[in-house]
Amino acid sequence: AQSVTQPDIHITVSEGASLELRCNYSYGATPYLFWYVQSPGQGLQLLLKYFSGDTLVQGIKGFEAEFKRSQSSFNLRKPSVHWSDAAEYFCAVAHGSSNTGKLIFGQGTTLQVKP
Amino acid sequence: AAGVIQSPRHLIKEKRETATLKCYPIPRHDTVYWYQQGPGQDPQFLISFYEKMQSDKGSIPDRFSAQQFSDYHSELNMSSLELGDSALYFCASSSWGLAGVRFFGPGTRLTVL
Repeated sequence: AQSVTQPDIHITVSEGASLELRCNYSYGATPYLFWYVQSPGQGLQLLLKYFSGDTLVQGIKGFEAEFKRSQSSFNLRKPSVHWSDAAEYFCAVAHGSSNTGKLIFGQGTTLQVKP
Repeated sequence: AAGVIQSPRHLIKEKRETATLKCYPIPRHDTVYWYQQGPGQDPQFLISFYEKMQSDKGSIPDRFSAQQFSDYHSELNMSSLELGDSALYFCASSSWGLAGVRFFGPGTRLTVL
């Protein structure tokens, strides 16, 4: 069965510092991968997605993620974090062979930004 | 741009009562997904519809039912509510032409007392 693991439950970085949030997936074929961000009490906003092609994908708000098949990873990165980036981040994989299948989410990583 | 609309945004019910949550997808979106997110938890898939037909089913209790109507809006009906049903319920919409991009609504926060 497909699954997603986010090893870091909570991460704190200083404003202006770089950020990397880890995501590992379990799936035999090429996965359809997503990163979402959720502010407190808010809905989920799509940051970026990977379906195929270039393994480095660019998203909104200066985020990028790199798909590494050999490591079964899809880590999210940002070179310089802003205070407004503090939120919950979810990595997700689409179930099945279609990118329209249900999303299976990781446990989430809470990002705290120090001034 | 139009977004996914969910109503109500907040709902308080007593145990054993019923609740109906509504989701209005983005215009021309034909697929609706429902997710449940408990406090401090990741969203869990409940059920989805494509072109008014159920397309997939997840961990949805038998006390819950859902449907998608001819105008593509969807309703999640919850009966015999339990304390454990207190959660944030998200609806997401998509369409075939969007290559898997799903747009999430703001959620309905259900509190069962």
